Amino acid sequence: GAVVSQHPSWVICKSGTSVKIECRSLDFQATTMFWYRQFPKQSLMLMATSNEGSKATYEQGVEKDKFLINHASLTLSTLTVTSAHPEDSSFYICSARVASGTPGELFFGEGSRLTVL
Amino acid sequence: DAKTTQPPSMDCAEGRAANLPCNHSTISGNEYVYWYRQIHSQGPQYIIHGLKNNETNEMASLIITEDRKSSTLILPHATLRDTAVYYCIVRVSSNTGKLIFGQGTTLQVKP
Repeated sequence: GAVVSQHPSWVICKSGTSVKIECRSLDFQATTMFWYRQFPKQSLMLMATSNEGSKATYEQGVEKDKFLINHASLTLSTLTVTSAHPEDSSFYICSARVASGTPGELFFGEGSRLTVL
Repeated sequence: DAKTTQPPSMDCAEGRAANLPCNHSTISGNEYVYWYRQIHSQGPQYIIHGLKNNETNEMASLIITEDRKSSTLILPHATLRDTAVYYCIVRVSSNTGKLIFGQGTTLQVKP
């Protein structure tokens, strides 16, 4: 199947700093990518839909000024957690849909674990 | 998209078939059933999907009832590496492509 890579796989930062997480589709072009957040022992929660060349669409309750999403190319989307606080510590996962693939067959990255001290 | 109901946890003996049920009684005619799994601390992995007919691939089989109100994911010979959380998701194929995850079933394969 298609490969989606995230970087970094884990990051520790101080409270108040910003952290950028990259999501790349390695062997296909993705016009749409999705960002999820997962807290321990909970399911994945969709944060936003990232569309190449346009603004991201955020789910209800997700602060767009805090979680900046940029989808500048067909193979790269970035999530920046601005002014991170300990409650932002979580497992962030991106996914991408192959443009010509089966709808719903999303490919997921390995996830990025953020710890804010 | 229709909601799904899954048991929170199940056990299965290694080498035996694991049958994971999913109820989706409010499913619409144009909604597909998708199954993903998530091994601890990894991103979810696509398993299989179907609309009306039963489906089989190298990973699993998907059995959908005739009224489409429920389905069963079958792992024919479970191994310890199949221990994971399994998510059943129902969605329309023509929407934005986003997947909304429920709580899933934690499958524990035991030696």
